[in-house]
Amino acid sequence: GNSVTQMEGPVTLSEEAFLTINCTYTATGYPSLFWYVQYPGEGLQLLLKATKADDKGSNKGFEATYRKETTSFHLEKGSVQVSDSAVYFCAPTPGTGGFKTIFGAGTRLFVKA
Amino acid sequence: KAGVTQTPRYLIKTRGQQVTLSCSPISGHRSVSWYQQTPGQGLQFLFEYFSETQRNKGNFPGRFSGRQFSNSRSEMNVSTLELGDSALYLCASEGDSPLTQYFGPGTRLLVL
Repeated sequence: GNSVTQMEGPVTLSEEAFLTINCTYTATGYPSLFWYVQYPGEGLQLLLKATKADDKGSNKGFEATYRKETTSFHLEKGSVQVSDSAVYFCAPTPGTGGFKTIFGAGTRLFVKA
Repeated sequence: KAGVTQTPRYLIKTRGQQVTLSCSPISGHRSVSWYQQTPGQGLQFLFEYFSETQRNKGNFPGRFSGRQFSNSRSEMNVSTLELGDSALYLCASEGDSPLTQYFGPGTRLLVL
């Protein structure tokens, strides 16, 4: 079946540190890959996405590359800020409709000043 | 365009009561999905509506139901509330950017 494994949190980093949050998945077909972010007290919002192999999604300094051979979509940022403190969700999406989006358990990131 | 809106934002109910939550998608979006988010279970899919028809359904009991109106606004209803129904209920719409979901801020439901 479809599944996603996401790095367990919480992850605590100092400001300007390098961030990696690992994500691997199993899914039927050729999914599009998403990272969503949830800031405290809010709903989820799209952070970045990639729709085909070797595509790199990027936004707000975050990047993730679609690795079909390893079925992975690891999230990275070179220098985190306190404002990046949030929960990050990896979400492979094989098809249309919310049912087919597979959300990871979420990784909580704390960034200390 | 205005984003996805959900009402109410907060709700307190007692066991046995029923509740109706509302979601207005982004203008032009025809798909609306509902999720339950809890600390223990994470994000769990409830159901998805497209053009007033339920297109997909998650693994929740029949106490959870929904509907979608012709203007794409959606409601979900939970009857006979249980303590375990306390959660953040999120709706998301999908439209012009395929597979990308746009989430509302959620309705936080507390069942006492």
